[in-house]
Amino acid sequence: DSGVTQTPKHLITATGQRVTLRCSPRSGDLSVYWYQQSLDQGLQFLIQYYNGEERAKGNILERFSAQQFPDLHSELNLSSLELGDSALYFCASSKTWGNTEAFFGQGTRLTVV
Amino acid sequence: EDQVTQSPEALRLQEGESSSLNCSYTVSGLRGLFWYRQDPGKGPEFLFTLYSAGEEKEKERLKATLTKKESFLHITAPKPEDSATYLCAVCGNSGNTPLVFGKGTRLSVIA
Repeated sequence: DSGVTQTPKHLITATGQRVTLRCSPRSGDLSVYWYQQSLDQGLQFLIQYYNGEERAKGNILERFSAQQFPDLHSELNLSSLELGDSALYFCASSKTWGNTEAFFGQGTRLTVV
Repeated sequence: EDQVTQSPEALRLQEGESSSLNCSYTVSGLRGLFWYRQDPGKGPEFLFTLYSAGEEKEKERLKATLTKKESFLHITAPKPEDSATYLCAVCGNSGNTPLVFGKGTRLSVIA
């Protein structure tokens, strides 16, 4: 158990809908990262937050947004969902940012039908 | 732009047959290189961090080494439970992505 908690584990929704994925980081970790993993792709970086502030942004679609709350949990919002958004979404956390190891949650499997 | 290339894409070993996985990287100022293990449908599990060329880390049957251009994950006398995808990631001084991952090596160990 990495200590990073993601909910829900599975999500099935229809095209055009909006969903929210939740992540609770390990105790004491200030940085949260979101990654997307599709079948044929590796782990694609979406966005990083550090102590409530956006720290780095990857190839995150405009339909996607995220935030980190004062209690350090984070939410990833996905809207106007398309079939191609079906993937595993992982959250990871680390103590700071940069060269410290990141620990991953078990992921949310999103299926868009 | 930081890049990570892992080879081979897939590797099939007999139980007890030692081998190495390769991770080649280009990064502007390496802050750290990380190895993870990922089982199907699960989150990546942290294995090692390497910071500078010449550094080595060991854990059970796994040993990670680092040079200025690549890292190796050596697997000694593997067992079927070592079957997984092994991911390499780098964190560099520049660029916008805190951790850049390779596509992984899918390892199968046959009893």
